Amino acid sequence: GQNIDQPTEMTATEGAIVQINCTYQTSGFNGLFWYQQHAGEAPTFLSYNVLDGLEEKGRFSSFLSRSKGYSYLLLKELQMKDSASYLCAVDNTDKLIFGTGTRLQVFP
Amino acid sequence: GAGVSQTPSNKVTEKGKYVELRCDPISGHTALYWYRQSLGQGPEFLIYFQGTGAADDSGLPNDRFFAVRPEGSVSTLKIQRTERGDSAVYLCASSPVVAATGELFFGEGSRLTVL
Repeated sequence: GQNIDQPTEMTATEGAIVQINCTYQTSGFNGLFWYQQHAGEAPTFLSYNVLDGLEEKGRFSSFLSRSKGYSYLLLKELQMKDSASYLCAVDNTDKLIFGTGTRLQVFP
Repeated sequence: GAGVSQTPSNKVTEKGKYVELRCDPISGHTALYWYRQSLGQGPEFLIYFQGTGAADDSGLPNDRFFAVRPEGSVSTLKIQRTERGDSAVYLCASSPVVAATGELFFGEGSRLTVL
């Protein structure tokens, strides 16, 4: 079966760093995506990892360990506009399988 | 337009009625996906088209749900005999990549409420 786990909710303070973890067990694996979704809006692409290691893109970084079935999204210098849901999704060879999402609230 | 367009943005219907939801993907994108998202959950895969054909419809919950993409562009998701449990946001996404891996571009979704 397909299983993607991530925490339901997290809170953090403006300017801080937060790490959102994702573990997965899927029948196929062609890479892992992170999407951001603000309330009432469409998910938007943040990052993609297919090889082990860290991918950095501005304030956001994403890490993948295929042997451990584990990824994390690291957000630095948090801003209020980063309050959103963060969706971990595994490319299961022909479609994306999403986790339930982590709702992040950033406080001043 | 430049992005994925979905209509209607909101649909309220009564239990037992028939509903059609439309998706207009980004021009030139060959792959088109339908997902369903309930409150507080991640998107749940329904069906995926490569061109005109449904490449994978394993996520359709039952035979009340059907989707078409007759000309390889616009797609319509059809739900017969709607039930209250069908209430959700139906998201459409498209991708320029022919085979699986690639970023999905999502529309704003169609919010379906079944009374």
